[in-house]
Amino acid sequence: AQTVTQSQPEMSVQEAETVTLSCTYDTSESDYYLFWYKQPPSRQMILVIRQEAYKQQNATENRFSVNFQKAAKSFSLKISDSQLGDAAMYFCAYRSGSGTYKYIFGTGTRLKVLA
Amino acid sequence: DVKVTQSSRYLVKRTGEKVFLECVQDMDHENMFWYRQDPGLGLRLIYFSYDVKMKEKGDIPEGYSVSREKKERFSLILESASTNQTSMYLCASSLLDEKLFFGSGTQLSVL
Repeated sequence: AQTVTQSQPEMSVQEAETVTLSCTYDTSESDYYLFWYKQPPSRQMILVIRQEAYKQQNATENRFSVNFQKAAKSFSLKISDSQLGDAAMYFCAYRSGSGTYKYIFGTGTRLKVLA
Repeated sequence: DVKVTQSSRYLVKRTGEKVFLECVQDMDHENMFWYRQDPGLGLRLIYFSYDVKMKEKGDIPEGYSVSREKKERFSLILESASTNQTSMYLCASSLLDEKLFFGSGTQLSVL
């Protein structure tokens, strides 16, 4: 069975600095998708970034980028130029590329942004 | 703008009550999901549905059932609420191969 592990329950970053959130996963599949979701205090979960496993190039969305290391089964999220609005819970998620629409989520990392 | 609406933001129920949590999406998505979110445990899948009247158990289906009579609506039912079902419940929907769209959650307290 697939698993997703986020080993950092909480992280802090100074405004305008860069922070990296860690995520590792375990799977025997070769075709899958990885996601980072953000849950602000409003509780509305939104997609931050998505990575297809077959793509070697790391996904980037504005200030958010990932470091996808397929062999190491690692999928970290880098937030550059951190802003107060980035403060939230961040969840790493895995979805198989075939056979099921189940998403598997990590336990989350709470990010605090210090002014 | 796409929307997933959960009927209640906060709900307080008594032990033994039958509880209905409703979720409606306006995006014509095939897939709908119910997750439970607890501190330190992340999101755990209770049930999901990939079509009308179709459902599959997730990782923690015990004590819950679901109903999907119409494509846009996915209901989570607690047949006899217990205190260990106090939690945040999140509904989500997606197209076949796309990202999840989430509702804003229902915080359920069972007393």
